[in-house]
Amino acid sequence: GENVEQHPSTLSVQEGDSAVIKCTYSDSASNYFPWYKQELGKGPQLIIDIRSNVGEKKDQRIAVTLNKTAKHFSLHITETQPEDSAVYFCAAGVRNAGGTSYGKLTFGQGTILTVHP
Amino acid sequence: DTGVSQDPRHKITKRGQNVTFRCDPISEHNRLYWYRQTLGQGPEFLTYFQNEAQLEKSRLLSDRFSAERPKGSFSTLEIQRTEQGDSAMYLCASSLFRANYGYTFGSGTRLTVV
Repeated sequence: GENVEQHPSTLSVQEGDSAVIKCTYSDSASNYFPWYKQELGKGPQLIIDIRSNVGEKKDQRIAVTLNKTAKHFSLHITETQPEDSAVYFCAAGVRNAGGTSYGKLTFGQGTILTVHP
Repeated sequence: DTGVSQDPRHKITKRGQNVTFRCDPISEHNRLYWYRQTLGQGPEFLTYFQNEAQLEKSRLLSDRFSAERPKGSFSTLEIQRTEQGDSAMYLCASSLFRANYGYTFGSGTRLTVV
């Protein structure tokens, strides 16, 4: 089955700096790579995702890159703010050919991001 | 639309007791997923439904676990004869067929087995 490795496990940055979290996956059938942010006592919240036919996607301060050949993908947060402090999870899964449904996701172990004011 | 709702938020039970959790997905979301999350780990897939049909079950879902979605709306997850190793956060998520976005998770039910 799929195996997702995520690094680093903890990341501490100063406000305004950039943060990068990296993930690798093992199953070449995976074609859908979402990133989730989880705050204390809450469920994971989808912040950005990328499909395998795209190499990069950006949404304001957040960007994700995907290298299918190397089977790795990364989350980039620029101009970090204290409210970005949370646990971030990458995941890999399969989105069907028609792009209409999602199966199970395999999650990484998480990265605790701390942004110091 | 109030998002994915899970009940209860917290449950403390004695080892050997049965527990049942409920998940109400976002209305009209036809896919519903259950995940388990232990402290310091990412969520682990348990099972998912499309409408009332259970499409896939993980090996993590032992005989003591059963999930149902009888009318294709809310779902229940039952754990029989609970063990201390069952202590975890149980997360429910839903998604809409043909939507261009992924899952929406609920806030979870935290189970503590004492």
